[in-house]
Amino acid sequence: DAMVIQNPRYQVTQFGKPVTLSCSQTLNHNVMYWYQQKSSQAPKLLFHYYDKDFNNEADTPDNFQSRRPNTSFCFLDIRSPGLGDAAMYLCATSYTLGQGLSNYGYTFGSGTRLTVV
Amino acid sequence: GQNIDQPTEMTATEGAIVQINCTYQTSGFNGLFWYQQHAGEAPTFLSYNVLDGLEEKGRFSSFLSRSKGYSYLLLKELQMKDSASYLCAVRARGKLIFGQGTELSVKP
Repeated sequence: DAMVIQNPRYQVTQFGKPVTLSCSQTLNHNVMYWYQQKSSQAPKLLFHYYDKDFNNEADTPDNFQSRRPNTSFCFLDIRSPGLGDAAMYLCATSYTLGQGLSNYGYTFGSGTRLTVV
Repeated sequence: GQNIDQPTEMTATEGAIVQINCTYQTSGFNGLFWYQQHAGEAPTFLSYNVLDGLEEKGRFSSFLSRSKGYSYLLLKELQMKDSASYLCAVRARGKLIFGQGTELSVKP
C-alpha cells in the first residue's frame, strides 16, 4: 500500500547529541510537512517542503533543520536536542498545497516519539 | 494570525450522540478537517468541509459555517473505541493548522 513511513518509531537521544528522524513516502506527493506534537497539545507545524522549496515557520527554532534529497524522503535534524524537544514528531504529505476547493488530503506517518535523556 | 478553539475534554455514554464544536479565526481559509487520534498514534482523517453545510459519513457528520467561523463533528451510536482525541484543523495558505484537540471519553 502507498504509505508514509517514519523511522524509527521510538528514538532516545542524549541531551545535546544531534539526532535525525526520517520520513519516506510512496505517494509521490509534492508536499512534505513536519509537525511537533507535545503531550496533550496540538500538532505544531515546524516547516514544509513544496517540491524542493523549503518553507520554515517563523517560530521554528534554529535548532531544527530539514533536508529533502528527493521526492520520496525528508529528514528532520535536531542539532542539539534539549529536554523541551521531547515530543512526537509527525511527518505528513499532500499532493499540492490545496489551493483549490478539492480535498487534497493529508497523509500522516505513524510518528516518531523522541525522548531526550 | 490563526486561532482555533475546541473544548479540552468531553464525556459521553456508549450508544449516545456527541457533538464536538470548533471555532476558528483565520485568513485565507480553504477548508476544515476533522481527525481522530488515539494515544501515541498518528491522526487519521475523518471528514472535510470547504463549503457551508453538513457532510455525512456513516456514524460521523461534520458541519461548517464559514460566516460564523464554526464547525462541529457529530458522532452517533457511540462505541467504546471512539474514545480518542478529536482534532479540528484548518487549511489556510497551503498549511494545515490544528486546534488543541478534544479528548473524548466514552463510558459504558
